[in-house]
Amino acid sequence: GAVVSQHPSWVICKSGTSVKIECRSLDFQATTMFWYRQFPKQSLMLMATSNEGSKATYEQGVEKDKFLINHASLTLSTLTVTSAHPEDSSFYICSARVPGGGGEAFFGQGTRLTVV
Amino acid sequence: QKEVEQDPGPLSVPEGAIVSLNCTYSNSAFQYFMWYRQYSRKGPELLMYTYSSGNKEDGRFTAQVDKSSKYISLFIRDSQPSDSATYLCAMSVVGNQFYFGTGTSLTVIP
Repeated sequence: GAVVSQHPSWVICKSGTSVKIECRSLDFQATTMFWYRQFPKQSLMLMATSNEGSKATYEQGVEKDKFLINHASLTLSTLTVTSAHPEDSSFYICSARVPGGGGEAFFGQGTRLTVV
Repeated sequence: QKEVEQDPGPLSVPEGAIVSLNCTYSNSAFQYFMWYRQYSRKGPELLMYTYSSGNKEDGRFTAQVDKSSKYISLFIRDSQPSDSATYLCAMSVVGNQFYFGTGTSLTVIP
């Protein structure tokens, strides 16, 4: 299957700092990428849909000024958690849709964020 | 009503058993159906991808879609301890976002 690479796989940061997470599609061009947040033993919660060259579409309740998403190229989307707080600690996962038709989605490895 | 319903389990079976995982959904417009496997602290891994109704087999895994009943299944034959994971069903309408089940936690006991 297609490969989506997410980096870093884990990060620890201090409260008030910002953290950037990268999501790359390695062997296909992804016009659409998705960012999810997952709490322990829960399913994926869609945060936003990222479209190349345009603004991201955020889900209700997700603060767009706190979770900045940039999809500057067909192979890279970034999520920046700004002014992080301990309650932002979570597992963040990106996915990219394979273009054409309905297009199955492939996921990155996930990023475990811990804010101390 | 949730778009996708999935029994969270947990499900525990002995090694070699046949496992049946299921999801139901409410949106008749869904056309694409997927099953993902997620190990702890890892991103989901695509197992099976099906368009519209029918069966699809890949090794020990078989995916079934019954659009008339709005019901999808994943069967795992000859289950192995390495199959222990959380299994997520997902579905979408062409070009739109994906809707996920809550995931079923499976443990295969040696």
